Amino acid sequence: DTGVSQDPRHKITKRGQNVTFRCDPISEHNRLYWYRQTLGQGPEFLTYFQNEAQLEKSRLLSDRFSAERPKGSFSTLEIQRTEQGDSAMYLCASSLEWDKDFYEQYFGPGTRLTVT
Amino acid sequence: GIQVEQSPPDLILQEGANSTLRCNFSDSVNNLQWFHQNPWGQLINLFYIPSGTKQNGRLSATTVATERYSLLYISSSQTTDSGVYFCAVSPGGANSKLTFGKGITLSVRP
Repeated sequence: DTGVSQDPRHKITKRGQNVTFRCDPISEHNRLYWYRQTLGQGPEFLTYFQNEAQLEKSRLLSDRFSAERPKGSFSTLEIQRTEQGDSAMYLCASSLEWDKDFYEQYFGPGTRLTVT
Repeated sequence: GIQVEQSPPDLILQEGANSTLRCNFSDSVNNLQWFHQNPWGQLINLFYIPSGTKQNGRLSATTVATERYSLLYISSSQTTDSGVYFCAVSPGGANSKLTFGKGITLSVRP
């Protein structure tokens, strides 16, 4: 069990550029989550997948954001036409649904995005 | 949605002291987790504790689900305990997203 991994760990981009982040969950975890954390705040939910199906999206996820989880394995989060307000830490988590109500989430190291 | 409040917002301790961190939540939950965020931003799982009491070394946690609060106890604190502690909850079922509190910043001085 190697834990949740994310790539890249840091990304600096210019306003208006597109960026894509990757998350590899713990193997056999069927749920995958994306969160965003800004300075001094707790993480906020963006979206989650059960297997390959995207089941919920936050209102924080504007139409410039898109997430995919092809074949229910790794996931990508793309931000188009980045804005300075997108600067944040993007965290990925995964969990194994062993009971419909109870599951523990495990987080990756995050991708820190800076938009200049 | 569920509201999560953590207190105190900041805590300064001398090495060796004990502390209690509190998490209140506004609705019934089936999942509650405590995390420590390290200086590099990674969230480290401390406890998964929707109810009851657990202990892991110098750390222990208690959740009283009927009264909607959880407590994290740190005993004999060390400088390496410094960082931000988050409580996060979810109702479970189809609503599995975690709602986080604003965190408690702990500084342990040598």
